[in-house]
Amino acid sequence: EPEVTQTPSHQVTQMGQEVILRCVPISNHLYFYWYRQILGQKVEFLVSFYNNEISEKSEIFDDQFSVERPDGSNFTLKIRSTKLEDSAMYFCAGGLAGRVQYNEQFFGPGTRLTVL
Amino acid sequence: KNEVEQSPQNLTAQEGEFITINCSYSVGISALHWLQQHPGGGIVSLFMLSSGKKKHGRLIATINIQEKHSSLHITASHPRDSAVYICAVGSNYQLIWGAGTKLIIKP
Repeated sequence: EPEVTQTPSHQVTQMGQEVILRCVPISNHLYFYWYRQILGQKVEFLVSFYNNEISEKSEIFDDQFSVERPDGSNFTLKIRSTKLEDSAMYFCAGGLAGRVQYNEQFFGPGTRLTVL
Repeated sequence: KNEVEQSPQNLTAQEGEFITINCSYSVGISALHWLQQHPGGGIVSLFMLSSGKKKHGRLIATINIQEKHSSLHITASHPRDSAVYICAVGSNYQLIWGAGTKLIIKP
């Protein structure tokens, strides 16, 4: 059964460094999402992406964050200058349709980002 | 005020018990999702519903759009059902997540 994969599973970085989190969505999915979950807190939406454009983003997704789909298979989340408060589990998800009333989302296993 | 409220926050039950987890929301929605987060962190979509009731195996989800309330039921619970169950409501392209209900089923 096809699945969403994410690399790395755990990333440790120093504050101020750039990180790139990678996701390979299921091949026929068209809509892609990043979520984060700070330890002990609820999952938060970051951004949705379709047709090489951001569809919607949250207040969390500021200028320090960017997403791209560089080669038609990978979907990346870049944090330009990490802060301590960026430490969280980051989940990638994908789906066939955009508006979530039609869209079951399939999640990757997550990347745990630790900023020191 | 949280847009999605779940109750209870924690639930411990004996194997075989009937489990109910509740979700109330304040936003206008077109779909509600129930998801399961495993102890290792992975998230799996269980149901997506916009009206009525859905059943999958021992899991049943219901929604009352007028009352802005949904329930997730587990029949004949089993220790492998132990996980965090999360309600999330769909609004355009994003999901607004509840805080989750941590369920422990004891043998």
